[in-house]
Amino acid sequence: GAVVSQHPSRVICKSGTSVKIECRSLDFQATTMFWYRQFPKQSLMLMATSNEGSKATYEQGVEKDKFLINHASLTLSTLTVTSAHPEDSSFYICSARDTGGGSLETQYFGPGTRLLVL
Amino acid sequence: GQSLEQPSEVTAVEGAIVQINCTYQTSGFYGLSWYQQHDGGAPTFLSYNALDGLEETGRFSSFLSRSDSYGYLLLQELQMKDSASYFCAVTEGGPNTNAGKSTFGDGTTLTVKP
Repeated sequence: GAVVSQHPSRVICKSGTSVKIECRSLDFQATTMFWYRQFPKQSLMLMATSNEGSKATYEQGVEKDKFLINHASLTLSTLTVTSAHPEDSSFYICSARDTGGGSLETQYFGPGTRLLVL
Repeated sequence: GQSLEQPSEVTAVEGAIVQINCTYQTSGFYGLSWYQQHDGGAPTFLSYNALDGLEETGRFSSFLSRSDSYGYLLLQELQMKDSASYFCAVTEGGPNTNAGKSTFGDGTTLTVKP
């Protein structure tokens, strides 16, 4: 089956630093990837839709200058949390839609990245 | 916008059958998905319905009624390993950038007891 990887799986950083998270589709092409954030015991909240070759579409309330998204190729999207603060500590999960799959439900999730900002 | 409702918690015993309901309000509905998430892990896809009716995948089945904006996940022959959170999610259809975008419910924590 289709596989999506995320790197790193876990990161601890100091307040004020920036953290980059990579999301890769390993065996399929994905023109669209989605970035979610999940706080403990809560649901997945869509942050933004990453589109290859164009600007990301951010959900209401998500600061685009703080959460920079780059979808430079059909297999890679990156999320950079800039000037991270403790309240940004969360579980960040990406998913990718198989461009060649032809069906909108074909969305594959990465294993997630746990960010802890001290 | 989208909104989904599902029970927050369900408890059942091993071997039993449990049904997790999901009602939704949405625009641009394309399909209803179900995901399982164990503590500390990422969601894994379980089932998907775009049309009315029942979809069966092993011990798990999912049902959808588009006219009632309602669906459910049915888990049979419960096992201890089924203890997890279960999320329903509505996927939007076209056009353009909204296609494939999913909104998740708050999740149902299933506890399976011996």
